[in-house]
Amino acid sequence: GQNIDQPTEMTATEGAIVQINCTYQTSGFNGLFWYQQHAGEAPTFLSYNVLDGLEEKGRFSSFLSRSKGYSYLLLKELQMKDSASYLCAVRGGGFKTIFGAGTRLFVKA
Amino acid sequence: EPEVTQTPSHQVTQMGQEVILRCVPISNHLYFYWYRQILGQKVEFLVSFYNNEISEKSEIFDDQFSVERPDGSNFTLKIRSTKLEDSAMYFCASRGDSTSYEQYFGPGTRLTVT
Repeated sequence: GQNIDQPTEMTATEGAIVQINCTYQTSGFNGLFWYQQHAGEAPTFLSYNVLDGLEEKGRFSSFLSRSKGYSYLLLKELQMKDSASYLCAVRGGGFKTIFGAGTRLFVKA
Repeated sequence: EPEVTQTPSHQVTQMGQEVILRCVPISNHLYFYWYRQILGQKVEFLVSFYNNEISEKSEIFDDQFSVERPDGSNFTLKIRSTKLEDSAMYFCASRGDSTSYEQYFGPGTRLTVT
């Protein structure tokens, strides 16, 4: 079957660093995405990994290990506006992208 | 900056009625998608569309659903006979070409079936 697991909720403090993990089992793999979604809004693209390793983009970094079926999203220098859901998604063998249930991140002052 | 647009933003319909959700993808994009998100649940893939035909569809996308690109700019999702459980946010997305990976999402249409 196809499955993407990520923690349901996390809480972190403004200015801190938080790591959101994602494990996946899919038939076929053509890349892993991280999206941010604020309540009532559309997902917005954060990162894409197709090869093993770390991709860095400003305060956000994403890591992939294909052999372990594992990724994480690292958010540095947390801001209150980072409070949102973070969605891990995998593009499988064809055109289909499968989303995890999302991790709701609460950033507190 | 180009963006995907969707209309209407909110649609209320009665059970059994047909609805058409409209999307205008980014103009030079070639791949188009519909997703739905039931309130409080995950984003679910419905269908992908390329070269004027469905390229892949999920188990959710049954005979009740159809998609069309009638005029080279609009991309529509039709739900033939709506059920209560079709109430969800429906997102359209588009992607450039085979070398691009990012899908750009529209703001969504909230469908409420009463």
